[in-house]
Amino acid sequence: EIVLTQSPGTLSLSPGERATLSCRASQRVASSYVAWYQQKPGQAPRLLIYAASSRATGIPDRFSGSGSGTDFTLTISRLEPEDFAVYYCQQYGNSPFTFGPGTKVHVK
Amino acid sequence: EVQLVESGGGLVQPGRSLRLSCAASGLTFHDYAMHWVRQAPGKGLEWVSGISWNGRSTDYADSVKGRFTISRDNAKNSLYLQMNDLRAEDMAFYYCAAGYGTGRATVCDYWGQGTLVTVSS
Repeated sequence: EIVLTQSPGTLSLSPGERATLSCRASQRVASSYVAWYQQKPGQAPRLLIYAASSRATGIPDRFSGSGSGTDFTLTISRLEPEDFAVYYCQQYGNSPFTFGPGTKVHVK
Repeated sequence: EVQLVESGGGLVQPGRSLRLSCAASGLTFHDYAMHWVRQAPGKGLEWVSGISWNGRSTDYADSVKGRFTISRDNAKNSLYLQMNDLRAEDMAFYYCAAGYGTGRATVCDYWGQGTLVTVSS
């Protein structure tokens, strides 16, 4: 099973700042099959990024993903008020398709 | 508009069984792999199980292998999760999710709102 580690666990930032979230896999993820999801309290998760760097439909271009192998990054270029949430990475290249523990981005 | 609506959650005693259902609309169901993802209250996401578009390929998390069975009925646009020998650690919101693609290695493009399973005596 591939174990995903996300860092930092919590990120304190102000609107307009840049957020950089890391996801590290315990072994290489096949075909860079890494996705990023956003979840707000009381809501289902929302897909942001798939295949490490492709934005899902309707996702603003301030969200970008990068990485390959075992190291992946989600960047939010300028935080908007609605971006404060929990972010999860997931690998879907090797079953079981594991999630990371999440990074909470909250208002400083 | 894509809608995934889960049902079948509730309170169940340890060791008993429960069957979850997910009704899909607004998408061509057989074009999507389907997944169950759970989330214990206040905790993170845990992928539970996935099934390919035609139901021939399935995968399970180690924590549920041998106890849970995923299935689908494309004629009814429905996904199911049969959960046997339930344990306290299975208590969570269970989300149904759809991922575009014929294989089972897909992301979760669309999500339902979840159904709560409570395991307690």
